[in-house]
Amino acid sequence: GAVVSQHPSRVICKSGTSVKIECRSLDFQATTMFWYRQFPKKSLMLMATSNEGSKATYEQGVEKDKFLINHASLTLSTLTVTSAHPEDSSFYICSAKGRTNYYEQYFGPGTRLTVT
Amino acid sequence: DAKTTQPNSMESNEEEPVHLPCNHSTISGTDYIHWYRQLPSQGPEYVIHGLTSNVNNRMASLAIAEDRKSSTLILHRATLRDAAVYYCILSLLSSQGGSEKLVFGKGTKLTVNP
Repeated sequence: GAVVSQHPSRVICKSGTSVKIECRSLDFQATTMFWYRQFPKKSLMLMATSNEGSKATYEQGVEKDKFLINHASLTLSTLTVTSAHPEDSSFYICSAKGRTNYYEQYFGPGTRLTVT
Repeated sequence: DAKTTQPNSMESNEEEPVHLPCNHSTISGTDYIHWYRQLPSQGPEYVIHGLTSNVNNRMASLAIAEDRKSSTLILHRATLRDAAVYYCILSLLSSQGGSEKLVFGKGTKLTVNP
C-alpha cells in the first residue's frame, strides 16, 4: 500500500516554543492531507483538511493561528504548533489521499509531542 | 453528521473468526461505510470499505445489511497481530465540498487471546 511518513516521530519542547511536524507521501501524490490529534486512550479528532496549493479548512474549535498548516506540494504538508503549551501535548497524526483509490486514506505513523 | 455505534470491546481466540458489529441507523444513501484499525502507538490502517454490497479483500470481509443501517466486519481467522481498535466510519463530504473526511468514533478494542 501507499506510504506516508511523519517527522519527527517524537519531540519534546519547552512551553512557548514552536514545533513543526512534517507529513510526506512517499510514493504517491497526495491531493488532500488531513491532520488529527489523539489524546491517550481517546479517539482521533480531525483538526483540519488541506488541499495542495490552497488554504487549510479547520474544524470547529481548532485555532488556525495556533496550528498552522501548509500543503505546499503534492507530497508534503506541515503542521506547526505555535507557542506550544503543555495542553498541546498529544499524538499528532496525518493522513493523505491521492487521485486514485479516492476513498482510502493512508495514515502516517504519528508524532508524539510533549510540551514541558 | 451520521454517527456509528460500536461495542467498546470484544474478545476473540486466535485462529477463530471475529465478527465486529457496527450500527449506523442514520446513514444516508450516499455514505460509504469504512473500517480502519489502529494498533497501539501507530496511525490507523485502512481495512475495507463498501456502499451496498458485501465486500471481500485480503484482510477482511464486510457484510452490509440490506437496509444499510448496520454492518459487520469479519476477520476470518484472528491472529495476535489483529489486536487493535477497530473503527467503523461513515464518509462525509466536507462543508467546503470536494474532499471527503473521516470522523472517528470510539471504536471497538479487539483483544485476541492465544
